Amino acid sequence: DAGVIQSPRHEVTEMGQEVTLRCKPISGHDYLFWYRQTMMRGLELLIYFNNNVPIDDSGMPEDRFSAKMPNASFSTLKIQPSEPRDSAVYFCASSRNTGGMNTEAFFGQGTRLTVV
Amino acid sequence: AQSVSQHNHHVILSEAASLELGCNYSYGGTVNLFWYVQYPGQHLQLLLKYFSGDPLVKGIKGFEAEFIKSKFSFNLRKPSVQWSDTAEYFCAVNGAGGYQKVTFGIGTKLQVIP
Repeated sequence: DAGVIQSPRHEVTEMGQEVTLRCKPISGHDYLFWYRQTMMRGLELLIYFNNNVPIDDSGMPEDRFSAKMPNASFSTLKIQPSEPRDSAVYFCASSRNTGGMNTEAFFGQGTRLTVV
Repeated sequence: AQSVSQHNHHVILSEAASLELGCNYSYGGTVNLFWYVQYPGQHLQLLLKYFSGDPLVKGIKGFEAEFIKSKFSFNLRKPSVQWSDTAEYFCAVNGAGGYQKVTFGIGTKLQVIP
């Protein structure tokens, strides 16, 4: 398996523009997580899905952020409109539930977002 | 709610020194515990994990961690660090039962000086 695949790897956009980050989890994994990493706040969980259903989006900072998982092999994280403080590295991760406990999370390479 | 606390945010060691990074978690039930490593400019990779059984777990590159349930701790250790261990280290927890999210600590940056 190619692992968790994220695109794009880097994104530079102007304030106010819409940004869409994409993630393809590992095949067979039923959990998908979106994290944001910054120097100030470390690794924050934004939202996670189980079997394509959003379970907990309490980490999504504002209504400008939204995430979808239309099927088991694809998820998007959208920011509209983007602001400079959204600049961060966004990681997608996936895991599989075995016997009632999740396996470790496997991370994608991340998307480095810069909003100018 | 589950949470993870890492005590040291920045550690500087000389090569061959011993390493111990502290991690405490908060969760009332059965947990899985993890240590991840992030090398500069890269994504997080699993170092080791504890699910059950022997509380002393060994991971890659000579790292080990000990789960002490009474202290809610899962400290990471390595007897002799190398320059290539320079990275950021994250402790993580996920709890059993219901939906399971993985919560990370804020991370510890380790700098190893040759």
